[in-house]
Amino acid sequence: LAKTTQPISMDSYEGQEVNITCSHNNIATNDYITWYQQFPSQGPRFIIQGYKTKVTNEVASLFIPADRKSSTLSLPRVSLSDTAVYYCLVGDRDSGNTPLVFGKGTRLSVIA
Amino acid sequence: DTGVSQDPRHKITKRGQNVTFRCDPISEHNRLYWYRQTLGQGPEFLTYFQNEAQLEKSRLLSDRFSAERPKGSFSTLEIQRTEQGDSAMYLCASSPQGISYEQYFGPGTRLTVT
Repeated sequence: LAKTTQPISMDSYEGQEVNITCSHNNIATNDYITWYQQFPSQGPRFIIQGYKTKVTNEVASLFIPADRKSSTLSLPRVSLSDTAVYYCLVGDRDSGNTPLVFGKGTRLSVIA
Repeated sequence: DTGVSQDPRHKITKRGQNVTFRCDPISEHNRLYWYRQTLGQGPEFLTYFQNEAQLEKSRLLSDRFSAERPKGSFSTLEIQRTEQGDSAMYLCASSPQGISYEQYFGPGTRLTVT
């Protein structure tokens, strides 16, 4: 499984756009990039997934360059409620039986 | 609420005691996963089921751990002869077959072994 590297922590003020970058230099052809969000005392929650270029949903955008060796999760205009740990995962989503492999994630603190 | 539920939410036990946790997945999901999470770390995979069949177990799942999903619905995770190192958050997740990358997690059971 491709190993991921992301910053341990980030701080942001409310209303700013936050970009969290994840490095995955050994990503395989069949691998997808998936991001999860975890609030304190809760289980992780799926945010977004992509393979290449850009994916956007109601929560976030995911930017993936052509070489796919990194990806950036973008959270527009964060609020205090976006304070959480964000995990970047890389794996073959079509294998159907691969458990999720989490790293330590990025702890985002949003400040008023 | 049709999300994943776990019971109990918190459990304090003395070293050497046995504990059992329950997970009720989303009803139409036939895959169920157990993870363990310690402070400052991401969740670590323990085991997963497809219907009632246990298909994979992590090396983290020592002989003191056992998981069941007898009728392909709810699941239980039992830890025998608990040790202080077992203190962690135990998370359950479920997903439809073939969509393992999008798992729905429960709130977890926090175990404290004293």
